[in-house]
Amino acid sequence: KAGVTQTPRYLIKTRGQQVTLSCSPISGHRSVSWYQQTPGQGLQFLFEYFSETQRNKGNFPGRFSGRQFSNSRSEMNVSTLELGDSALYLCASSPGLAGGPGTDTQYFGPGTRLTVL
Amino acid sequence: SQELEQSPQSLIVQEGKNLTINCTSSKTLYGLYWYKQKYGEGLIFLMMLQKGGEEKSHEKITAKLDEKKQQSSLHITASQPSHAGIYLCGAVRTPSGSARQLTFGSGTQLTVLP
Repeated sequence: KAGVTQTPRYLIKTRGQQVTLSCSPISGHRSVSWYQQTPGQGLQFLFEYFSETQRNKGNFPGRFSGRQFSNSRSEMNVSTLELGDSALYLCASSPGLAGGPGTDTQYFGPGTRLTVL
Repeated sequence: SQELEQSPQSLIVQEGKNLTINCTSSKTLYGLYWYKQKYGEGLIFLMMLQKGGEEKSHEKITAKLDEKKQQSSLHITASQPSHAGIYLCGAVRTPSGSARQLTFGSGTQLTVLP
């Protein structure tokens, strides 16, 4: 099976602009989660989508939003970009199985490196 | 303080040496994942531990979970340059929680000198 793909891989924007990142999960996976990784804060959970619905959300401002399509592909959007939004944005997919820990391993994509100038 | 503390933050070893990376949680662990990351790239799943005392191995990497201590360790035997990278532990925070919302440690940067 093909892995998780993310586009674009690199992006440069200026403050105040908005950006949309795309994630295609592993075939058959219905859950897509997004994470932000920065040198200062490390890897932080943004949100999770399952069957086109946001199921979990991390502690990020409303400028960060996402959506999921019927084919499980997901996009995340960041509006009014700030310098601090420069980061590696990682997407992870999993089958989305119900159950306790260990039932639903996440597999990560290569990430999109966003630089805000 | 961090919910998940990894130690050491960085490690430089000679090829062939054994090494251990630790991940300690300040909150209850309901599952612990280990991932490896090459700088600036995505995470590669290594293994998942769920029960106290559980130990798993894959090739030369062994991970253990000490539920009482809320700690996990990752041990690499006879390290190779291919083991170099950033090792991250990710915790499941609720008993009914899944792997879809993980809290990660800050990572351990491993360098293996040939």
